[in-house]
Amino acid sequence: AQSVTQLGSHVSVSEGALVLLRCNYSSSVPPYLFWYVQYPNQGLQLLLKYTSAATLVKGINGFEAEFKKSETSFHLTKPSAHMSDAAEYFCAVTKGSSASKIIFGSGTRLSIRP
Amino acid sequence: ETGVTQSPTHLIKTRGQQVTLRCSSQSGHNTVSWYQQALGQGPQFIFQYYREEENGRGNFPPRFSGLQFPNYSSELNVNALELDDSALYLCASSYLRSGTANTGELFFGEGSRLTVL
Repeated sequence: AQSVTQLGSHVSVSEGALVLLRCNYSSSVPPYLFWYVQYPNQGLQLLLKYTSAATLVKGINGFEAEFKKSETSFHLTKPSAHMSDAAEYFCAVTKGSSASKIIFGSGTRLSIRP
Repeated sequence: ETGVTQSPTHLIKTRGQQVTLRCSSQSGHNTVSWYQQALGQGPQFIFQYYREEENGRGNFPPRFSGLQFPNYSSELNVNALELDDSALYLCASSYLRSGTANTGELFFGEGSRLTVL
């Protein structure tokens, strides 16, 4: 069964600093992997997705993630944090078959210090 | 292009009651998934509807049921409400082509926040 583990329920960085949110996956087949963002009182929005093409995936708002099969990781990074990046971030995985469900991690809350 | 809309946005029920939540999918989408998000948790998959039939279900009891209508809108029904059912219920729509991979790009509504007293 597919699953994702997000390391760190809360990450705090200074404005302008590097953002690194960690995600490790478990999958018996090559997975499709995603990062979603949730702003307060809103639904989730797709940041980026990996679907077995390039291992370095660029998303919206300057975020990117690298798929590392040897480490079963899909960490999310952004070179320079902005106050508007404060939100909850969820890593997710699916098998990619037509009937597969998307499984979300428990989330990481990102806080930005002025 | 109209996004995913959910109603009601907030509601309060008491234990044992029944609730119906509604979702209108994004234009052009044919699949609706429902998720339960408890406070401080990630979304938990309840079920997915494709072409008006259930197309996958998570670990939720039968008192959680759903429907999808010909216009691809959907309802989530929960019977015999329990205190632990208090959560944000998220609906997400997507386009699924039969026989092809589910690429997983979901478009979420803002959710219905259910409080059970």
